[in-house]
Amino acid sequence: AQKITQTQPGMFVQEKEAVTLDCTYDTSDPSYGLFWYKQPSSGEMIFLIYQGSYDQQNATEGRYSLNFQKARKSANLVISASQLGDSAMYFCAMRLNYGGSQGNLIFGKGTKLSVKP
Amino acid sequence: EPEVTQTPSHQVTQMGQEVILRCVPISNHLYFYWYRQILGQKVEFLVSFYNNEISEKSEIFDDQFSVERPDGSNFTLKIRSTKLEDSAMYFCASSEVGESTYEQYFGPGTRLTVT
Repeated sequence: AQKITQTQPGMFVQEKEAVTLDCTYDTSDPSYGLFWYKQPSSGEMIFLIYQGSYDQQNATEGRYSLNFQKARKSANLVISASQLGDSAMYFCAMRLNYGGSQGNLIFGKGTKLSVKP
Repeated sequence: EPEVTQTPSHQVTQMGQEVILRCVPISNHLYFYWYRQILGQKVEFLVSFYNNEISEKSEIFDDQFSVERPDGSNFTLKIRSTKLEDSAMYFCASSEVGESTYEQYFGPGTRLTVT
């Protein structure tokens, strides 16, 4: 069964430091996409970064990078130079691409990141 | 930048009442989704919709739930007889293509409170 695991319920990081949020996934499908979303206290879901299963390079988007280790089935999010506005819930999600599927997202339980001044 | 919109932002209803949550997906998107997030828990898939019919649904999406695209822009989720456990944030999402490489764009959510 497809599954996303985020083992860190909460993380603290000092402002301006880097932080890694862990995500492991489980699927036997060869074609999938991995996503990270940020959910601030206001509740909306903000797309951060995407990694495809066939991508050779790790994805980067500004201060966000995805450390994709396919053999380990991990897709950790790295936030560099943390800012107070980064305090939020972060969700890792997977989207499959198998026959007949319309690609719904499977989410992990999330990690609550708190950035300390 | 185009965005998914949802109305209302917050709905309070009494147990047993019907509610309709509304979404306007991004105009050139073809795939539509509803997700639910009970407070403090993870986001769960409810249903996907393509070509005017349900493509997939989860075990949460029972006979009390229905979806509709009544016109070319709106996408609605109806809960026929609400229960206390339906209290959650409901997110609508849309995607240009159904493949895994394409991002799903989420709306801001509707917080449903059933009393």
